[in-house]
Amino acid sequence: EVQLVESGGGLVKPGGSLRLSCAASGFTFSSYIMNWVRQAPGKGLEWVSSITGSSGYISYAESVKGRFTISRDNAKNSLFLQMNSLRDEDTAVYSCARGGGGLDIWGQGTVVTVSS
Amino acid sequence: EIVLTQSPGTLSLSPGERATLSCRASQSVSNNYLAWYQQRPGQTPRLLIYAASSRATGIPDRFSGSGSGTDFTLTISRLEPEDFAVYYCYQYATSPRTFGQGTKVEIK
Repeated sequence: EVQLVESGGGLVKPGGSLRLSCAASGFTFSSYIMNWVRQAPGKGLEWVSSITGSSGYISYAESVKGRFTISRDNAKNSLFLQMNSLRDEDTAVYSCARGGGGLDIWGQGTVVTVSS
Repeated sequence: EIVLTQSPGTLSLSPGERATLSCRASQSVSNNYLAWYQQRPGQTPRLLIYAASSRATGIPDRFSGSGSGTDFTLTISRLEPEDFAVYYCYQYATSPRTFGQGTKVEIK
């Protein structure tokens, strides 16, 4: 079964850091562009970052550029998001999603709450 | 950055009716690299349409996408009870990728 499972969310104070992980299974992970997408409580979807299969091309939303770092470990079928200098407005459910075009497989998400 | 504006914000319809949702881009979406997603409450988004008009695997044919350039449309020909949800458009033509703000289709 094709599956993505996120972990690493939690409660963190403003200015703090978190590292999210996404474990992939059921498909050839290294062949796919992977993404992070977030959804703040009661709000819409926001694309956060993408990384190609070889990690050769990475892109970020302006709202997180310079604070977040996406990476992957193809040997471990894992995707990561290092989040530094967290702000209140980063509070959201963070989901990993597969695909360079339409995002066809999504994880259930991990909750990140930034609050003092 | 390509800004996607969806309209209307809320669409109130009855089961069996036709739904027409609009997504307008602030600049041309090259190669029509635009997708549509459905999100039911408490669920993850579900890919419906990619490349503006191609249905994703397992999507019923009552869902169709059309448009090109800056104007795109998602049509649900006859609403089923499970279709009442929020719909998002998404462009993957350029970085940063962007989503529209969503259209809620609610039961009238």
